[in-house]
Amino acid sequence: GDSVTQMEGPVTLSEEAFLTINCTYTATGYPSLFWYVQYPGEGLQLLLKATKADDKGSNKGFEATYRKETTSFHLEKGSVQVSDSAVYFCALNSGGSNYKLTFGKGTLLTVNP
Amino acid sequence: NAGVTQTPKFRVLKTGQSMTLLCAQDMNHEYMYWYRQDPGMGLRLIHYSVGEGTTAKGEVPDGYNVSRLKKQNFLLGLESAAPSQTSVYFCASRKQATNEKLFFGSGTQLSVL
Repeated sequence: GDSVTQMEGPVTLSEEAFLTINCTYTATGYPSLFWYVQYPGEGLQLLLKATKADDKGSNKGFEATYRKETTSFHLEKGSVQVSDSAVYFCALNSGGSNYKLTFGKGTLLTVNP
Repeated sequence: NAGVTQTPKFRVLKTGQSMTLLCAQDMNHEYMYWYRQDPGMGLRLIHYSVGEGTTAKGEVPDGYNVSRLKKQNFLLGLESAAPSQTSVYFCASRKQATNEKLFFGSGTQLSVL
């Protein structure tokens, strides 16, 4: 079945540091890939997405590239801010059951000033 | 724009008590979902609905029931609450088309003593 594996956290960085959160997946067909972010006390919200191989999703300085050859969708940001502190979830939506998203377990990011 | 509204936001139950969580969306979305979020487990799908009058089981449906009598509402019921159901519950909705993003409510924190 479909699955998403994220790097385990927590991740703690200083402001302006470079961020990478690894995400790899297993899926049938050609899935769409997503990163969701959850700020403290809130529900999840979409950060970015990519729907086909080699697509790059980007938003708020975050980027992720859909790599079919390595089945990966790693999240990156060049310079994190304190306000980026949140839990980040990688997710996929595969064609076999396209009404359901499969989520990774989430990675807690804390950015210190 | 209300989006996805969950009620209540917090609740404490005793073992064996029953309750219903209400999710309402005002975006005319076809698909609706109930997830639970537990530390180290990420998001797990409890039940979902692909349209008014339909429901289906997700990964962890045992101990829960759902109903979708109106398109805008998706109810999650616990008939006899157990401590293992202590969790944060999130409702989400999305349009029918593939690759559309999920819209999440702000969550219900439930404790079962």
